[in-house]
Amino acid sequence: LAKTTQPISMDSYEGQEVNITCSHNNIATNDYITWYQQFPSQGPRFIIQGYKTKVTNEVASLFIPADRKSSTLSLPRVSLSDTAVYYCLVGDMDSNYQLIWGAGTKLIIKP
Amino acid sequence: DVKVTQSSRYLVKRTGEKVFLECVQDMDHENMFWYRQDPGLGLRLIYFSYDVKMKEKGDIPEGYSVSREKKERFSLILESASTNQTSMYLCASRQTLKLFFGSGTQLSVL
Repeated sequence: LAKTTQPISMDSYEGQEVNITCSHNNIATNDYITWYQQFPSQGPRFIIQGYKTKVTNEVASLFIPADRKSSTLSLPRVSLSDTAVYYCLVGDMDSNYQLIWGAGTKLIIKP
Repeated sequence: DVKVTQSSRYLVKRTGEKVFLECVQDMDHENMFWYRQDPGLGLRLIYFSYDVKMKEKGDIPEGYSVSREKKERFSLILESASTNQTSMYLCASRQTLKLFFGSGTQLSVL
């Protein structure tokens, strides 16, 4: 099983780009990488998903190097409302057993 | 948009009580999950279900059971609540690798 490791917390300022890295050294061939955002008193919400290289959507980018042993969530020009806990999830599309959650990174955005 | 609804946001129960946590999803997803979330421990899988009446243990099933009589509904049962089951409980349904979560139930067992 791919164990995931994330920083416990990070600080940044409004308008900055924030990069959060997740390590998953034992990622399997069939595993995808997904990132979620969680606000207090809410369930996690899907942000972005990828398998390799780079994926971009309207809220974030996900960078995955060729060896896939890590991934980096990039949030452009953050605002105060991006203060949340961010989780990476590594798992197989076809298996419920193999969904491995990181412990989460608490991101605090300052004015 | 997918909606996953958990019946209670907050519950306070006494040790030894039987507790039911209900979850309903509206997207006809086959896979549903129950997680508990504790500070510093992230999300830990209790049980999941891949079809009606089908269930599988997750990483921490002890002290819990589940029921899935209809596709849209997945219930978590604490047969005899204990103080160490005080936690945030999150229900989710799955579409490929995209999980859709409810707002959670904060359960306090006194």
